[in-house]
Amino acid sequence: EVQLVESGGGLVQPGRSLKLSCLASGFTFSNYGMNWIRQAPGKGLEWVASISSSSSYIYYADTVKGRFTISRDNAKNTLYLQMTSLRSEDTALYYCARYGHGGRFDYWGQGVMVTVSS
Amino acid sequence: ETVLTQSPTTTAASPGEKVTITCRASSSVSYMHWYQQKSGASPKLWIYDTSKLASGVPNRFSGSGSGTSYSLIISSIESEDAATYYCQQKSSDPPITFGSGTKLEIK
Repeated sequence: EVQLVESGGGLVQPGRSLKLSCLASGFTFSNYGMNWIRQAPGKGLEWVASISSSSSYIYYADTVKGRFTISRDNAKNTLYLQMTSLRSEDTALYYCARYGHGGRFDYWGQGVMVTVSS
Repeated sequence: ETVLTQSPTTTAASPGEKVTITCRASSSVSYMHWYQQKSGASPKLWIYDTSKLASGVPNRFSGSGSGTSYSLIISSIESEDAATYYCQQKSSDPPITFGSGTKLEIK
């Protein structure tokens, strides 16, 4: 069974940093691209960042480019999102999601909440 | 960036009725994916590659479309279908975009 379990969220002040993790199991992690997708309270889904299976290709949404860094450790089956210079508008539930064929997100984690507030 | 516009934003239907949710893209896309999100839960892949049902999705759901216009159709609504549905596209270049969602309520 595919499982994605996010961790590392919490309350953080504006301008500070936070690092999210996503532990994957139930599939060969090193064979799949991975993503972070967020959802602000009461709002829709927003793609944040993608990383290919070998970390060769990395992409970011314009809203986080230069502030967030996606990375992965295939030996640890773990995806990361380093978030710096956090803003109130970054407050959201952050999901990690596996990249299936054709650019679809075929499995999602349960999400981890990040709240940016003073 | 390819903008996806979903309509309606909210809809209500009685059990047994047919519902169509539309997703229009600002530029042509090769295919569309759809997700179902129930309140308090993570999104689930529902329809992929425009018309293929994800595992476990009832066959009262279907998807169609091409170019800039795509649809998710529920032939006969059941109470368990109450959820928000999102379309999503991935072109060759980022960003990946989602529609703003359609909330389906059951009367």
